[in-house]
Formats: sequence, structure tokens, C-alpha cells
Amino acid sequence: GQNIDQPTEMTATEGAIVQINCTYQTSGFNGLFWYQQHAGEAPTFLSYNVLDGLEEKGRFSSFLSRSKGYSYLLLKELQMKDSASYLCAASHTTDSWGKLQFGAGTQVVVTP
Amino acid sequence: DSGVTQTPKHLITATGQRVTLRCSPRSGDLSVYWYQQSLDQGLQFLIQYYNGEERAKGNILERFSAQQFPDLHSELNLSSLELGDSALYFCASSKKRSDTDTQYFGPGTRLTVL
Repeated sequence: GQNIDQPTEMTATEGAIVQINCTYQTSGFNGLFWYQQHAGEAPTFLSYNVLDGLEEKGRFSSFLSRSKGYSYLLLKELQMKDSASYLCAASHTTDSWGKLQFGAGTQVVVTP
Repeated sequence: DSGVTQTPKHLITATGQRVTLRCSPRSGDLSVYWYQQSLDQGLQFLIQYYNGEERAKGNILERFSAQQFPDLHSELNLSSLELGDSALYFCASSKKRSDTDTQYFGPGTRLTVL
């Protein structure tokens, strides 16, 4: 399989910024997705990166470096409701029909 | 609301039993994916169907099977259930392929095997 690595947990204060890193295998890489998942709920789509660079969507930004096999999700102006698990998922042409490989998720805890 | 529906929301059953989970994809989506998420574990890909045909398989047990019907809804059948099968089962859908098309997830079915 394709290993996706991301930190297990991060803690930050309300109003602060947190950066969640994700690394993946570069061979046959297609694109990188980020999802947010609150406990017991469905993952919800946040962003998709296929080209190098930064994509900004309001308080959330996602960055991709294809050559380094690296992505990050940046959460700005943290709010309590941002406490959730953030899943990094990569697709590779070496997997049939480009199925996604999900990381284990990074649990973000926002404190007052 | 992603537009993907799953039934039932909760299911409690006993070991050795068989259950069927149902998923309806978003309007216009042809691909359906099934995932299992156990406590403290990430999303494990089980199987993908595209327009009625199986396209990709993950770590799906032989006791589990799935199909996608002509109206594009899908069912995941779990048989000879074991305690370890207790998990959240998610269905997701996308227009076509998963490498370029965003997958949208349903609310999940929480299966408890006693």
C-alpha cells in the first residue's frame, strides 16, 4: 500500500494557527485530499491539491509539494468547532482506479 | 448534508448473524465506495463500484460482499458477524474515479455486534 503519515494529535488555543503535515509516497502520485471528521460523524471534504502550491479557502489553506511528497493543512483563527480529526488522503495511479489511501487522521484539540 | 444517504443509522445484532447496509449515492454520481472505521482506527477502504461493476477492492473480508444495482444504490452485506466487526460503516460517492473526483460521504451506519 501507499503509506500516508500525519501526526496523531495537535493542541492549539482558540484564535491561533495550526499546521497539520502529511507525507506520502511520490511514485505514481495523482492528488491529495483533506477531510474533516467530527467524532462519530461523516468525513467532510475540505480541499483537493493536484498542483504544487497553496490553495486558500477562507480560514483553511492547503499546500502541496509533489517533488517532496508533502502537504499541509493550515487552520487559521481557530474556533472551538474546529476540534476534530483531519484526514489526509492521497491517490496514486499504481492503485486500481486511483482509490484513495487515507492517513490515520490528526486529532486537533482547540482549547479556550 | 452531502446528498449521500445511508440506512439504517444504527444496527445492533448478535454474533453469527447477517446484516445488509444500504447506500444511495448523490444524484449523478456513478461511483460508490464502502469504508469501515473501527474505534481508534482510520478509514479502511473496503470496495468500490462504478456504474454497477466492481472496480477496486481493499481489505474486504470474504464474509463481506457488496453490489451496486441498476438504480446505482449499493448494498454491503456482512455475514457470520463477529464482535470485531463492530464499527462505523461509511458509504461515499463520486462522479467517476476517486483520484480526481471528490468523494462525498454519507452519515454512516453504526454496527454493534453483541
